[in-house]
Amino acid sequence: AQKITQTQPGMFVQEKEAVTLDCTYDTSDQSYGLFWYKQPSSGEMIFLIYQGSYDEQNATEGRYSLNFQKARKSANLVISASQLGDSAMYFCAMREGRDDKIIFGKGTRLHILP
Amino acid sequence: SAVISQKPSRDICQRGTSLTIQCQVDSQVTMMFWYRQQPGQSLTLIATANQGSEATYESGFVIDKFPISRPNLTFSTLTVSNMSPEDSSIYLCSVREGEIGYTFGSGTRLTVV
Repeated sequence: AQKITQTQPGMFVQEKEAVTLDCTYDTSDQSYGLFWYKQPSSGEMIFLIYQGSYDEQNATEGRYSLNFQKARKSANLVISASQLGDSAMYFCAMREGRDDKIIFGKGTRLHILP
Repeated sequence: SAVISQKPSRDICQRGTSLTIQCQVDSQVTMMFWYRQQPGQSLTLIATANQGSEATYESGFVIDKFPISRPNLTFSTLTVSNMSPEDSSIYLCSVREGEIGYTFGSGTRLTVV
């Protein structure tokens, strides 16, 4: 079974609109961490935001925020005021318990339209 | 955060040959990881490499096909052995620094012909 599920293979959003990228996860650990990465066409992996399972507040980093709903095992990424440069692949990832590794969802390709 | 130099950035190889990918980090790190990203796909973890111990491979990946070396805290290599066209992928190394600091190399784009 997939540990990280991203149900939106692709999304098209008008520039300046807000966009929500969905991510659900599956773990039986009480302690875990959730990550979002951006991968532009250049291929580099850019860290965007992190949410720990014990963090009571949703993480925010500039235009990025993470809508963390623990009971629903959901960690959606919200990008406010989207820009053309936001066009990229976005990956949700998780680190479970005492593991050191992180595993990735299948990703969502975001297209920002002018 | 750590700066990773990954070499080569790309290569085209003949089937049946092997390619060794190098990952050099500008600081000492305990945990290093190797990922494969097949065309249009997500990142799949190949193995975790700790200095001084054998690499730990994920399900579906074996040491004979993907031998890994980790001679010190700043360097690791991944070899893709006896390559076939199905091995055409981007290979990325990654290091962990602290609780949330996972940094990735720029990747090696491998094409097997």
